[in-house]
Amino acid sequence: EDQVTQSPEALRLQEGESSSLNCSYTVSGLRGLFWYRQDPGKGPEFLFTLYSAGEEKEKERLKATLTKKESFLHITAPKPEDSATYLCAVQEPGGYQKVTFGIGTKLQVIP
Amino acid sequence: DADVTQTPRNRITKTGKRIMLECSQTKGHDRMYWYRQDPGLGLRLIYYSFDVKDINKGEISDGYSVSRQAQAKFSLSLESAIPNQTALYFCATSGTPRNWAQETQYFGPGTRLLVL
Repeated sequence: EDQVTQSPEALRLQEGESSSLNCSYTVSGLRGLFWYRQDPGKGPEFLFTLYSAGEEKEKERLKATLTKKESFLHITAPKPEDSATYLCAVQEPGGYQKVTFGIGTKLQVIP
Repeated sequence: DADVTQTPRNRITKTGKRIMLECSQTKGHDRMYWYRQDPGLGLRLIYYSFDVKDINKGEISDGYSVSRQAQAKFSLSLESAIPNQTALYFCATSGTPRNWAQETQYFGPGTRLLVL
């Protein structure tokens, strides 16, 4: 069964304390891996798409990396406004191009 | 203005009632999706549509139906609502994958549904 597992489930950081979120996946093939940010009661907001192992994308304090079986979302010197749930999703090749979402990592950044 | 809009944003209904959730988009995308999100389960696909004449069931379509009225409009109906359909519902859109960048799904703000 295709799976996307995110860890940790929750993470509490002090402002300025850098860390990483993990997304591991077991799918038959990878067409793309997506990272989203979701604030409470709102829709997921697109952050990054990664397509091949070794690829990296950056946006402000966030950097996403991809290997053959996992992706990391690195958060450098986080601020309280970075508090949110971060979702990872994996897209498989094929006619439908199925997208499987992880449950997410809930990040809290304390001032 | 938001690219993907959903109405209503909140809805309370009773068991057995028929309700419709609506989604509109101004992104010009061909593909539209309906998901539900439950605590601890993540986003699960209910239905998806690649164009007006192409509608497909997702992994949890039982108890739901959809209508693609136009390229920009995709509605989700609960024919006879039941309490375990209480969830947060999201509409999403994506472009036809002529290139990698167009395959990203963009989400609406969600509809919070409570079935009593």
